[in-house]
Amino acid sequence: SQKIEQNSEALNIQEGKTATLTCNYTNYSPAYLQWYRQDPGRGPVFLLLIRENEKEKRKERLKVTFDTTLKQSLFHITASQPADSATYLCALRGSQGNLIFGKGTKLSVKP
Amino acid sequence: DTAVSQTPKYLVTQMGNDKSIKCEQNLGHDTMYWYKQDSKKFLKIMFSYNNKELIINETVPNRFSPKSPDKAHLNLHINSLELGDSAVYFCASSQEASGGAMSYNEQFFGPGTRLTVL
Repeated sequence: SQKIEQNSEALNIQEGKTATLTCNYTNYSPAYLQWYRQDPGRGPVFLLLIRENEKEKRKERLKVTFDTTLKQSLFHITASQPADSATYLCALRGSQGNLIFGKGTKLSVKP
Repeated sequence: DTAVSQTPKYLVTQMGNDKSIKCEQNLGHDTMYWYKQDSKKFLKIMFSYNNKELIINETVPNRFSPKSPDKAHLNLHINSLELGDSAVYFCASSQEASGGAMSYNEQFFGPGTRLTVL
């Protein structure tokens, strides 16, 4: 069956370090992958999209990679700040065009 | 201006009751969705509507009935509420590509409705 795994439920890092979050999937061949941020009590907010033919995408301090051979995406936040603390969700495009979400990784950046 | 809005934000009700959650988007999108986020924070698609037509209906009990009076609104009615229905329900919208082309567009989510069934 199709599965998306974000293998860390929680990640704690020190301010200024680079946070790296992982998203693995099996039995999919997604055309793209998206990353969202969710703060407590709020809906997810879109951050980045990367297509299957793209290896890497950047937006300010964010970087996403997509390895269709490994079936993995990595999400990096460089020079992390306490304000980056949130839950980060990866999502793949399902066969019906809907998004299928991972369970998320809760990132805590300590000052 | 709020892009995707939901009402109410909190809903506490007794088992067996019928309740509705309303969703409106002012982004001009043609596709709207309902997601359920359970206590383990897993966000799962329930329904998807494109131009008022049902596109996706995941394995959801038929006690849940979505209604889309127009492109900007997608309401969710739940009959005979059960304890297991307690969750946060998110509405979302996106603009899908025309002519069957793949859309790469992001989804915009509402603030969520926290439903508690006692």
